[in-house]
Amino acid sequence: AQTVTQSQPEMSVQEAETVTLSCTYDTSESDYYLFWYKQPPSRQMILVIRQEAYKQQNATENRFSVNFQKAAKSFSLKISDSQLGDAAMYFCAYIGVVDDMRFGAGTRLTVKP
Amino acid sequence: DAGVIQSPRHEVTEMGQEVTLRCKPISGHDYLFWYRQTMMRGLELLIYFNNNVPIDDSGMPEDRFSAKMPNASFSTLKIQPSEPRDSAVYFCASSLGNLGQGFYREKFDYGYTFGSGTRLTVV
Repeated sequence: AQTVTQSQPEMSVQEAETVTLSCTYDTSESDYYLFWYKQPPSRQMILVIRQEAYKQQNATENRFSVNFQKAAKSFSLKISDSQLGDAAMYFCAYIGVVDDMRFGAGTRLTVKP
Repeated sequence: DAGVIQSPRHEVTEMGQEVTLRCKPISGHDYLFWYRQTMMRGLELLIYFNNNVPIDDSGMPEDRFSAKMPNASFSTLKIQPSEPRDSAVYFCASSLGNLGQGFYREKFDYGYTFGSGTRLTVV
């Protein structure tokens, strides 16, 4: 079964600085998608960014970008110019040929003003 | 589109009572998922449906849990009888397609759209 590991339970960043959240995964599949979801205190799960495994180019969405290392099975999220509104739980997730999405345990990001 | 709609947003019930959680997926999405989120276990998949048919219910904790999807626009998750350890946030999510349908690759967003969740407290 595929597993997703987030080794940083908590992270902290100063407003306007850059922070990187780590994620690794284990799979024997070659075809899959990876995601980062944000869960603010409202508990709504919000899709931040996604990466298709067959694409070598790293995905970017405004201030959010990923560093996808397929051989290393690593998928980190970089948040540039951090804002107070970025404070939330961040979940890394995987979907393969099997239909359901697997989540990591999450990283709680605190943004200091 | 109103997104995935879950009700109620909060539910407090006494141990032993029946609880029914409701979900309306995004129109046109053919996959529906029920997840449970707790501090100890994180996000766990309970069951998912494809075209209203349950595909994998291996995550359902025990026989006290049941889920139905009578039509493409409605699903329920029922707990009977409820226990304090069932206290959690229950999410419903819907999605288009899956990786097995190769020709969907360029068209569809494989991310799941989540509802706002139902916070269940069993006292």
